[in-house]
Amino acid sequence: GQNIDQPTEMTATEGAIVQINCTYQTSGFNGLFWYQQHAGEAPTFLSYNVLDGLEEKGRFSSFLSRSKGYSYLLLKELQMKDSASYLCAGMDSNYQLIWGAGTKLIIKP
Amino acid sequence: GAVVSQHPSWVICKSGTSVKIECRSLDFQATTMFWYRQFPKQSLMLMATSNEGSKATYEQGVEKDKFLINHASLTLSTLTVTSAHPEDSSFYICSARDPTSGRDVGELFFGEGSRLTVL
Repeated sequence: GQNIDQPTEMTATEGAIVQINCTYQTSGFNGLFWYQQHAGEAPTFLSYNVLDGLEEKGRFSSFLSRSKGYSYLLLKELQMKDSASYLCAGMDSNYQLIWGAGTKLIIKP
Repeated sequence: GAVVSQHPSWVICKSGTSVKIECRSLDFQATTMFWYRQFPKQSLMLMATSNEGSKATYEQGVEKDKFLINHASLTLSTLTVTSAHPEDSSFYICSARDPTSGRDVGELFFGEGSRLTVL
């Protein structure tokens, strides 16, 4: 079956770095996505990886290892506004997104 | 960037009534839109894929007679929750891809979401 696993909750300190891991199993693979979702709001796109390696976008970076079925989202210089849920989603061979349950990130001063 | 607008943001209704939620792509044409449901502290659950000019494709376990989807134009899809019950209370979100954006193949633009409370 298809499955996305990520931690339920993480806590980090303002100004620090946090890495949110995601492992995936999909029927075929067309990419791995990360979305940010603040409470009560719709998700917003953060990143897309389809090739192995690290993609950097400002304070956020995303990594993919297709052989390991593994990805992580790295957030640097954490700010209080980064407190949100981070959703990992894998795209299968039918271009359907398989969603993880999300990781709730709590930032403490 | 592409914008998807969803209306209403909040709706409260009595049990047994029907509620319609609209999803519009404001600056692009969306042949396909997606409807999700999200319960508190849970991830998005795809309910159905809405196809312009044809019938929607429903995910397993989603009652097509209860959740009516109409995609009559390239910029509008509607979800009607018929005979709503308290267990239908949830956060409903629509999304669409802009095929002309030139951006990542899977980037979805989400509407603001509609929070339905059935009394």
